[in-house]
Amino acid sequence: AQRVTQPEKLLSVFKGAPVELKCNYSYSGSPELFWYVQYSRQRLQLLLRHISRESIKGFTADLNKGETSFHLKKPFAQEEDSAMYYCALSPYNFNKFYFGSGTKLNVKP
Amino acid sequence: DTGVSQNPRHKITKRGQNVTFRCDPISEHNRLYWYRQTLGQGPEFLTYFQNEAQLEKSRLLSDRFSAERPKGSFSTLEIQRTEQGDSAMYLCASSLVGGGHNEQFFGPGTRLTVL
Repeated sequence: AQRVTQPEKLLSVFKGAPVELKCNYSYSGSPELFWYVQYSRQRLQLLLRHISRESIKGFTADLNKGETSFHLKKPFAQEEDSAMYYCALSPYNFNKFYFGSGTKLNVKP
Repeated sequence: DTGVSQNPRHKITKRGQNVTFRCDPISEHNRLYWYRQTLGQGPEFLTYFQNEAQLEKSRLLSDRFSAERPKGSFSTLEIQRTEQGDSAMYLCASSLVGGGHNEQFFGPGTRLTVL
């Protein structure tokens, strides 16, 4: 069965510290992986997707097919990064999306 | 605002009543998705449309739920005989498929409370 697991409900770090938000998945095939972010009182929005290999707002994520992981990383957290982060998976044809339960990132001053 | 809009933003209803939500996607987007999100969980996929065709439905979508996108533009999600377990945030998202891109743009959601 398809599943996306985000083991941490809450992650608190100090400003300037490195951040890693974990995401593991199970899927019988080659999925597309995404990270979505929801800032306070804002809509859910796409942060990055693995096929674009971009760095958005200093965040990167590498797809590790062997470990079936897609962890989100940032070397130096900023207070404005505080938000809810969701890892998501989709089949190649984007006919459905599976979201993890989310990790709340709190960056302290 | 040219983003995805959803109406109403909040709906309180009594158990057993029917409710209908509307989603207006970004105008040129050909795909429209419905999700349900409960407290402490991520969005759960319910169904999606490509233009007016409903191509995928989750097992979560019981026979009390029906969705339509009659002209390939706005969509409605109806819940009949609501139950307290239907209380959730209902999210709509739209995307333009093609060229390898499928970024979903989400609406603000409709929060349903069933008393």
